[in-house]
Amino acid sequence: GAVVSQHPSRVICKSGTSVKIECRSLDFQATTMFWYRQFPKQSLMLMATSNEGSKATYEQGVEKDKFLINHASLTLSTLTVTSAHPEDSSFYICSAIWGLREQYFGPGTRLTVT
Amino acid sequence: QQQVKQSPQSLIVQKGGISIINCAYENTAFDYFPWYQQFPGKGPALLIAIRPDVSEKKEGRFTISFNKSAKQFSLHIMDSQPGDSATYFCAASKPGANNLFFGTGTRLTVIP
Repeated sequence: GAVVSQHPSRVICKSGTSVKIECRSLDFQATTMFWYRQFPKQSLMLMATSNEGSKATYEQGVEKDKFLINHASLTLSTLTVTSAHPEDSSFYICSAIWGLREQYFGPGTRLTVT
Repeated sequence: QQQVKQSPQSLIVQKGGISIINCAYENTAFDYFPWYQQFPGKGPALLIAIRPDVSEKKEGRFTISFNKSAKQFSLHIMDSQPGDSATYFCAASKPGANNLFFGTGTRLTVIP
């Protein structure tokens, strides 16, 4: 299978600051990547679809000015949480499509906003 | 609106037993049905996937059974082991749109 990495794995930031999370496809090129958010003991919630070279598509209810997504290359997508607040604390996971339909997920990033 | 319904919410199985997790969907446009395994603090890992042109797919101890007319599919874990204890998610996607619709998850505990 394909490998997707995320960095950092954990981050703690102060309220009002911004934090960037990187998602990389290590051994394949991904024109499409996805960003999910997961609360404890809940399912994954799709936040946005990231397309290389174009603007991301955000799901209903997700603030695009708060969650900035940049897919600048075929192996890297970034999610920036701007002006973070404690309610933004969550587990953020990215994924990428490999082959025809297989979607592989990164290990996730635990964000804690104090 | 939950597009993919999953049950049970939690499951306890004895070591060596069979774990069965069920999912149902309404949208007949779905044509790809993967299962994911997730350990605490980790991202989901793709286990096995099926398309509606087959009724069953087996990979090692994991089998997907698919019933197109009933719009249901299930994951069977044979000879369940304590190391299988994790949360399992079913999902579905439509052709031409790779975003996945996830079930609510099943927390499996395999006791020795």
